Amino acid sequence: KAGVTQTPRYLIKTRGQQVTLSCSPISGHRSVSWYQQTPGQGLQFLFEYFSETQRNKGNFPGRFSGRQFSNSRSEMNVSTLELGDSALYLCASSFISGKAAEAFFGQGTRLTVV
Amino acid sequence: KQEVTQIPAALSVPEGENLVLNCSFTDSAIYNLQWFRQDPGKGLTSLLLIQSSQREQTSGRLNASLDKSSGRSTLYIAASQPGDSATYLCAPRRGGSEKLVFGKGTKLTVNP
Repeated sequence: KAGVTQTPRYLIKTRGQQVTLSCSPISGHRSVSWYQQTPGQGLQFLFEYFSETQRNKGNFPGRFSGRQFSNSRSEMNVSTLELGDSALYLCASSFISGKAAEAFFGQGTRLTVV
Repeated sequence: KQEVTQIPAALSVPEGENLVLNCSFTDSAIYNLQWFRQDPGKGLTSLLLIQSSQREQTSGRLNASLDKSSGRSTLYIAASQPGDSATYLCAPRRGGSEKLVFGKGTKLTVNP
């Protein structure tokens, strides 16, 4: 059974550009969450999607957005990139939203903004 | 707002030792708590999920305990091995959401 797949694994972007990251959850999982990991702030919750609906959003500026498709795949977009957006972006999927669900993480996308 | 603290921040032990990693959280109204390990530059690997109604959960050499009322969880690793070297993270979850709140982790080094 395939795990959570995130693409691309590495990205280098210039300040002011935008970027789109992709996450394919484990087959059958309908809940997808996104996290940002930096050395200073640790792991911080970005947003959570279930059945194409955003259920929760973390404390991030509006430049960070996401969506989920009918096949449960999710994308997150960051517009007008800043140097501080450099981070490891992690996606997690779980089988049943809000229940006794175990979260499984992908390998992450390492974003570097120069 | 949930805050998670993990002590110690770093731990170095010789191979074969038994060890305990601590996790405390401020909001005891949790649904469950998950322990993860993270190798450098990698994603998170789920180790154990412990429900709020459980006191303990075991998987191989790992045992997690949960005292919800006092806001504490511990991860016990028996007979540590160099391959256990990683950062260990705990994350409680409230009901009705998949949002995990993470501590800063404990960086474990097991020396051969």
